[in-house]
Amino acid sequence: DIQMTQSPSSLSASVGDRVTITCRASQSISSYLNWYQQKPGKAPKPLIHAASSLQSGVPSRFSGSGSGTDFTLTISSLQPEDFATYYCQQSYSTPSFGPGTKVDIK
Amino acid sequence: QVQLQESGPGLVKPSQTLSLTCTVSGGSISSGSYYWSWIRQPAGKGLEWIGRIYTSGSTNYNPSLKSRVTISVDTSKKQFFLKLSSVTAADTAVYYCARVLVAAGGWVEWFDPWGQGTLVTVSS
Repeated sequence: DIQMTQSPSSLSASVGDRVTITCRASQSISSYLNWYQQKPGKAPKPLIHAASSLQSGVPSRFSGSGSGTDFTLTISSLQPEDFATYYCQQSYSTPSFGPGTKVDIK
Repeated sequence: QVQLQESGPGLVKPSQTLSLTCTVSGGSISSGSYYWSWIRQPAGKGLEWIGRIYTSGSTNYNPSLKSRVTISVDTSKKQFFLKLSSVTAADTAVYYCARVLVAAGGWVEWFDPWGQGTLVTVSS
């Protein structure tokens, strides 16, 4: 099984801040890495697939990068609607998710 | 646009079988371009992939649940189903169904859209 880890597990930030979340795989997964945003009581929403491809309709302040074992999700200028929990997910083998990073208001 | 809706009992007794239905609307369930999947999330915890079904009916399951899971599909009703046997309190979670999109020759798979989720509690 491929284990996914995320750091930090939570962070506090202000509107306008640049936020970076890291996801690490226990073995190389090439670029087969996706990111989701989940708000309380809602289903996850896909943001990025294949490490860096922005989903249609997702604001350009979101970006993804990385390959192999290390990946990042960056929010260039945090907006009020971005306070949520973010999950990475690999599809190199049996799909698995990271434990999540909660972004809340400082 | 495609929408998914989960349905089924919200309460299941320990040792019994959890059964859920996902109904697809606004699009075809039979397109060869998509797979269909179940994912669950215990309260306050992360996401766990349960399994997926292809339009051909073939399935793949999470090894940790494989002995207890069955996913099936009824294309005429635009529905797919989850059965999880011998449930315990550890199976209490919000269960989501989702469409699986693929790219890069099938290597990249992501879930979009998702149903709203349904809470299943295992308790006597």
